Amino acid sequence: AQRVTQPEKLLSVFKGAPVELKCNYSYSGSPELFWYVQYSRQRLQLLLRHISRESIKGFTADLNKGETSFHLKKPFAQEEDSAMYYCALKGYQKVTFGTGTKLQVIP
Amino acid sequence: NAGVTQTPKFRVLKTGQSMTLLCAQDMNHEYMYWYRQDPGMGLRLIHYSVGEGTTAKGEVPDGYNVSRLKKQNFLLGLESAAPSQTSVYFCASSLAGPNTEAFFGQGTRLTVV
Repeated sequence: AQRVTQPEKLLSVFKGAPVELKCNYSYSGSPELFWYVQYSRQRLQLLLRHISRESIKGFTADLNKGETSFHLKKPFAQEEDSAMYYCALKGYQKVTFGTGTKLQVIP
Repeated sequence: NAGVTQTPKFRVLKTGQSMTLLCAQDMNHEYMYWYRQDPGMGLRLIHYSVGEGTTAKGEVPDGYNVSRLKKQNFLLGLESAAPSQTSVYFCASSLAGPNTEAFFGQGTRLTVV
């Protein structure tokens, strides 16, 4: 079975503060992990994937196999980062999503 | 390039009515998925397909049926709608193979009264 856990439903931070959105996973095979973002009134879109080890819009995420985590981080939050963030695990044929974290950046 | 298109965008059904949601993708993707999005529950997989003519159950398949007669289309049917099926439905597609991203439709907001 594959499972993704996002413990925070809502995360409120002030503009300029650091952000960390938590994601833990459970999967017996080699995991493929992603972060998707859904801005207000828009469709879900890929933010980043662990294999690329890239920084998108200032966000980074590191896969920690020992802790089975894939936390999303950004050093300085911007108002335009306010959105719903989903962690996702692609296993055998299926993509499983977490329950999502709503990030609210306060001006 | 339209990507993933869902039809309709909004629908109100009465309990017991049936309907079909259509998902179409023009990216020649092998995999297609149907999810429902509910507050506090994230995206839950209803059914998925790994190729034309194939379908498989996801986490919450009860009350839904699907068909993938053509590679580009994935239909989600509600045989007898119930208020518990009030939700936002998302279709997604992806290439087969590792580390490929899923592309999403714009969603269908369904209300069952």
